[in-house]
Amino acid sequence: EDQVTQSPEALRLQEGESSSLNCSYTVSGLRGLFWYRQDPGKGPEFLFTLYSAGEEKEKERLKATLTKKESFLHITAPKPEDSATYLCAVQWGRLVFGKGTKLTVNP
Amino acid sequence: KAGVTQTPRYLIKTRGQQVTLSCSPISGHRSVSWYQQTPGQGLQFLFEYFSETQRNKGNFPGRFSGRQFSNSRSEMNVSTLELGDSALYLCASSLEARGTGELFFGEGSRLTVL
Repeated sequence: EDQVTQSPEALRLQEGESSSLNCSYTVSGLRGLFWYRQDPGKGPEFLFTLYSAGEEKEKERLKATLTKKESFLHITAPKPEDSATYLCAVQWGRLVFGKGTKLTVNP
Repeated sequence: KAGVTQTPRYLIKTRGQQVTLSCSPISGHRSVSWYQQTPGQGLQFLFEYFSETQRNKGNFPGRFSGRQFSNSRSEMNVSTLELGDSALYLCASSLEARGTGELFFGEGSRLTVL
């Protein structure tokens, strides 16, 4: 049973073309939702923590939002260096990760 | 400030062998978690240690084990290796046990089982 589902699995954008990544979860009583970025051959790098519906966090071209059942990672005017796999995770005692969205930004 | 260090970075083993992976957390971090990452299953939780005690364990067979030392360094061991154990094994450290999803990951140990 998938508790954390990310979509799309892969996304190709042109530089400057804004878009959003989705992370949906099925368990109630969320203790925290987390976004990570993973570059090839590296471990995931922490980006954001969201705790309650309506909360938003921003960092450079990235903005994460949270509703009761899903989170979005909005990427505004992306650059090639934003290419990476973006992972979301939810906390149920331990951290449960989605399978990620592989983002490719072409120049 | 040094990050999480994992050794070895790459290793090749054959079926039936065993392997030990090492993780040195960020200085001052007392919680260490281990994850297995494969293309098909993504990141799957193996176990978490805090102050030398296993606090949580994922759904992996008993062939997967771990421990944490008094200096917070951790090791994981996989015995009787199977082809399906080929994966990237990631270690992550944090200041606190549970309570936070802000983990600091190492670059991983890539295990290939032939």
